[in-house]
Amino acid sequence: ETGVTQTPRHLVMGMTNKKSLKCEQHLGHNAMYWYKQSAKKPLELMFVYNFKEQTENNSVPSRFSPECPNSSHLFLHLHTLQPEDSALYLCASSQGTRTRYEQYFGPGTRLTVT
Amino acid sequence: QQQVKQSPQSLIVQKGGISIINCAYENTAFDYFPWYQQFPGKGPALLIAIRPDVSEKKEGRFTISFNKSAKQFSLHIMDSQPGDSATYFCAANYATGAGSYQLTFGKGTKLSVIP
Repeated sequence: ETGVTQTPRHLVMGMTNKKSLKCEQHLGHNAMYWYKQSAKKPLELMFVYNFKEQTENNSVPSRFSPECPNSSHLFLHLHTLQPEDSALYLCASSQGTRTRYEQYFGPGTRLTVT
Repeated sequence: QQQVKQSPQSLIVQKGGISIINCAYENTAFDYFPWYQQFPGKGPALLIAIRPDVSEKKEGRFTISFNKSAKQFSLHIMDSQPGDSATYFCAANYATGAGSYQLTFGKGTKLSVIP
């Protein structure tokens, strides 16, 4: 185990549903990340949080809404998604954003939008 | 300019053989080059990393070779085993300025090691 857990592991949702993904890290890290992983594409960084504050939003549509209540927990709230949003969503953490090259990833949530 | 180009997309190697995955970059500001390994159903995990002032780094059966002048780096897996079958991602890190950093990933190489 990497010390980063994600729930749920699989999620199927309709385009009108609202759901949330949860990530928790037990590593004492200060930076947390959300990535989207689609087949045959590079990992897409979505959001970066450092000490609970959002520091990066890489032009992510507003139907994805992140929340970071503390340095150990990260959520991704989903609403009115599109079929093209189906992907593996990965959470990661690192000691800080300066050491983001050494990230610890969770197992991901496989999201299917119907 | 922020891209890292990785090849091949997929690779099949016989058990005991050498697996070689290549990556190329353009941005000379990249200052750290990690490789990540991802097994099915798992997230990527840091495997090995190198700085551009080093030409080679070895950890067990895994070796990174770095060619700064050619802006290329590669992962070599010696004595490849079926348990090495996974997707491998190269990445490159750089400081964008004002205390901000960026890590760019390649598209990944799916390695299959057959008995």
